[in-house]
Amino acid sequence: EAGVAQSPRYKIIEKRQSVAFWCNPISGHATLYWYQQILGQGPKLLIQFQNNGVVDDSQLPKDRFSAERLKGVDSTLKIQPAKLEDSAVYLCASSSPTGGPTEAFFGQGTRLTVV
Amino acid sequence: GENVEQHPSTLSVQEGDSAVIKCTYSDSASNYFPWYKQELGKRPQLIIDIRSNVGEKKDQRIAVTLNKTAKHFSLHITETQPEDSAVYFCAATASSNTGKLIFGQGTTLQVKP
Repeated sequence: EAGVAQSPRYKIIEKRQSVAFWCNPISGHATLYWYQQILGQGPKLLIQFQNNGVVDDSQLPKDRFSAERLKGVDSTLKIQPAKLEDSAVYLCASSSPTGGPTEAFFGQGTRLTVV
Repeated sequence: GENVEQHPSTLSVQEGDSAVIKCTYSDSASNYFPWYKQELGKRPQLIIDIRSNVGEKKDQRIAVTLNKTAKHFSLHITETQPEDSAVYFCAATASSNTGKLIFGQGTTLQVKP
């Protein structure tokens, strides 16, 4: 089966600019996650969708980050304006939990550098 | 709050030796514990997972043990090979959300030929 697709792979922007990332989950996966992975750390959940509804966005910096999954399939994550500390890899993952938590499949990620 | 501690942060072993990575979690209601392997510049990939109703699980050279009472779980890799070199992350589900994973800080494993 096709994996989780993300684009772009790399992005370099100046601070205070805006940027958007795109994710296409595995077909049929109702749950979609955006994780932020800062160099040398484990991934941290930013937002979780179940179909097109938000399940958890408790760690999303809502003053600058936004995400949507309008049709319950693809998702976009936006940062506006970006800060230096937003430099990280942004990982999208999807899962199809039935009867409890199951494996989350990760995309290749988008490496963001804010200069 | 929800927290997963992982040790050691780096681990170097000789090829053929065993490697053990340990994690502790804070939320006693966590019920799913996956381990991910991440090679440099690549996506995290699941290598093994265990649920709270099981104490041990094995898949060829990899095994995971879970001690719910102590809130510990460990990854054991036997007969290590150079291709096992990578960063390994443990994770636990947040009890408030069965899908959300809380990750440890990662262990960089180096297997010397």
